[in-house]
Amino acid sequence: AQSVTQPDIHITVSEGASLELRCNYSYGATPYLFWYVQSPGQGLQLLLKYFSGDTLVQGIKGFEAEFKRSQSSFNLRKPSVHWSDAAEYFCAVAADTGGFKTIFGAGTRLFVKA
Amino acid sequence: GAGVSQSPSNKVTEKGKDVELRCDPISGHTALYWYRQSLGQGLEFLIYFQGNSAPDKSGLPSDRFSAERTGGSVSTLTIQRTQQEDSAVYLCASRTGTATNEKLFFGSGTQLSVL
Repeated sequence: AQSVTQPDIHITVSEGASLELRCNYSYGATPYLFWYVQSPGQGLQLLLKYFSGDTLVQGIKGFEAEFKRSQSSFNLRKPSVHWSDAAEYFCAVAADTGGFKTIFGAGTRLFVKA
Repeated sequence: GAGVSQSPSNKVTEKGKDVELRCDPISGHTALYWYRQSLGQGLEFLIYFQGNSAPDKSGLPSDRFSAERTGGSVSTLTIQRTQQEDSAVYLCASRTGTATNEKLFFGSGTQLSVL
């Protein structure tokens, strides 16, 4: 069965600093990978996804993520964080086998300090 | 409607009562999920419906939880004999079809509080 691990429960970065949120997955075949963001008072929104091709994917709001098969990772990055990026970030994995369901990690809460 | 609609947005109930949570997915979406979001627990998968196939119930935490999807559209999540640990936000999401590389559209959730 697929699973997702987000090792960091929360992270604090200064505004303007770079950001990397970690995500590791467990699945035998090539999975589909996603990052979603949940801002305060708002619903979950897709940031980006990977399912094939270029392992570096670009998303909305200046985010990118890189799929590294050898490390079973799909880390989210942003070169310069804005205060409005403070939110909870969820990594998710889905597959065409094992039931087709989408499984989410526990989330990483990002705090941005001035 | 334009998005996934959930009702009620908030539900307060007493321990031992039954509750029903409703989800109206985006029209035409054949895939529907229920998740539970508790503090510090992330998004916990509960159940998945895809078209006319048997639902994947592997995430339901106990037999007090059940869900139906009528006519391939509206879904109801029922929790019987609620317990305080059932307090959480229950999120519904839908997707166009069987392509698991497509994104999920989420509703705003139902905040359930069991007193």
